[in-house]
Amino acid sequence: KQEVTQIPAALSVPEGENLVLNCSFTDSAIYNLQWFRQDPGKGLTSLLLIQSSQREQTSGRLNASLDKSSGRSTLYIAASQPGDSATYLCAVTGNQFYFGTGTSLTVIP
Amino acid sequence: EAGVAQSPRYKIIEKRQSVAFWCNPISGHATLYWYQQILGQGPKLLIQFQNNGVVDDSQLPKDRFSAERLKGVDSTLKIQPAKLEDSAVYLCASSLGGEKQYFGPGTRLTVT
Repeated sequence: KQEVTQIPAALSVPEGENLVLNCSFTDSAIYNLQWFRQDPGKGLTSLLLIQSSQREQTSGRLNASLDKSSGRSTLYIAASQPGDSATYLCAVTGNQFYFGTGTSLTVIP
Repeated sequence: EAGVAQSPRYKIIEKRQSVAFWCNPISGHATLYWYQQILGQGPKLLIQFQNNGVVDDSQLPKDRFSAERLKGVDSTLKIQPAKLEDSAVYLCASSLGGEKQYFGPGTRLTVT
């Protein structure tokens, strides 16, 4: 069974700092990997989707990388802002769809 | 475009009672998903529909949970009878081509 782990579980950074969130998965037989953002009391918003054949995807200040062979993905957030405060979840699609446990990010003004 | 709609937003019931949640996906989205998110955990897929057919329900506790999507549009998830451990947020999502998913706001269920 696929296991998806995200470290750290929580992270606090000052505004303007660049940061990296990590996601690891145990089964490399995946079709794609997605990064989501979850705000309290709201649903999830898809940020980036990386196909298994791709190495990275970029959207604005966000850059996600995928290393399928090592079972790892990172989400890089540049010049963090207080509005980036949320829980970030990664999810892998293989035979089934599995979410990680998330990283709760707080950006301090 | 209108997003994924869910109702109710909040529900409090006693254990052994029944409850039903409703989801209306984005118009034209053939794939619909129901997830359970327990506090402090990532969402867990309960069931995936493609139109009105079930694609994956391997993690659905079928002794108490049921779901249907009779006309291939909106869907209902039912729990009967509820247990304390069913307290969670129930998320509905839909997708056009099975990749990028769009999520509704969720229904927060508290079982006392």
